[in-house]
Amino acid sequence: AQRVTQPEKLLSVFKGAPVELKCNYSYSGSPELFWYVQYSRQRLQLLLRHISRESIKGFTADLNKGETSFHLKKPFAQEEDSAMYYCALRGQGAQKLVFGQGTRLTINP
Amino acid sequence: EAGVAQSPRYKIIEKRQSVAFWCNPISGHATLYWYQQILGQGPKLLIQFQNNGVVDDSQLPKDRFSAERLKGVDSTLKIQPAKLEDSAVYLCASSLDRAEQYFGPGTRLTVT
Repeated sequence: AQRVTQPEKLLSVFKGAPVELKCNYSYSGSPELFWYVQYSRQRLQLLLRHISRESIKGFTADLNKGETSFHLKKPFAQEEDSAMYYCALRGQGAQKLVFGQGTRLTINP
Repeated sequence: EAGVAQSPRYKIIEKRQSVAFWCNPISGHATLYWYQQILGQGPKLLIQFQNNGVVDDSQLPKDRFSAERLKGVDSTLKIQPAKLEDSAVYLCASSLDRAEQYFGPGTRLTVT
């Protein structure tokens, strides 16, 4: 079975502080992992995917197969990072995404 | 490019009534998805179309939910009859095969 767990429903940090949003998954094969973000009054959109290994808006995420994790990190949080963040998994050969329950990130000034 | 369009944006109905949602995907996107997002949870796939064929409907409550994608473009999701637990945001997304999924604004359904 495919499962994505985001242990923190809410996360609050101060501007300039480091941010880490946790994501753990359960999948027997080699998954693709994604982070989606939803800013206030905007649509759900892709932030980054593990296969591209790129940094978007200062965020990075490394797939750790040993720990089955895909944590999202940013060294210095900005107020515009306040949003809802969802970790998602796609199984081998599949197209559908399995989402975690999301973490609401609030950056305090 | 124009994004995924959905209508209506909001709908309030009483339990046992029927409701339908409409989705227009991005032009050229063969794959269309309907997700249900209950408050406090992540989106859950209800049904996936490839052109006008169903690829995955394993989590669609088929006794009350139905969906179609005639002509492989627009899609309609119907609930008949609605239950209180169907209150959620219904998201439509589209993609080119296994590429990035683009989401619509969603339809917020309240069943009273």
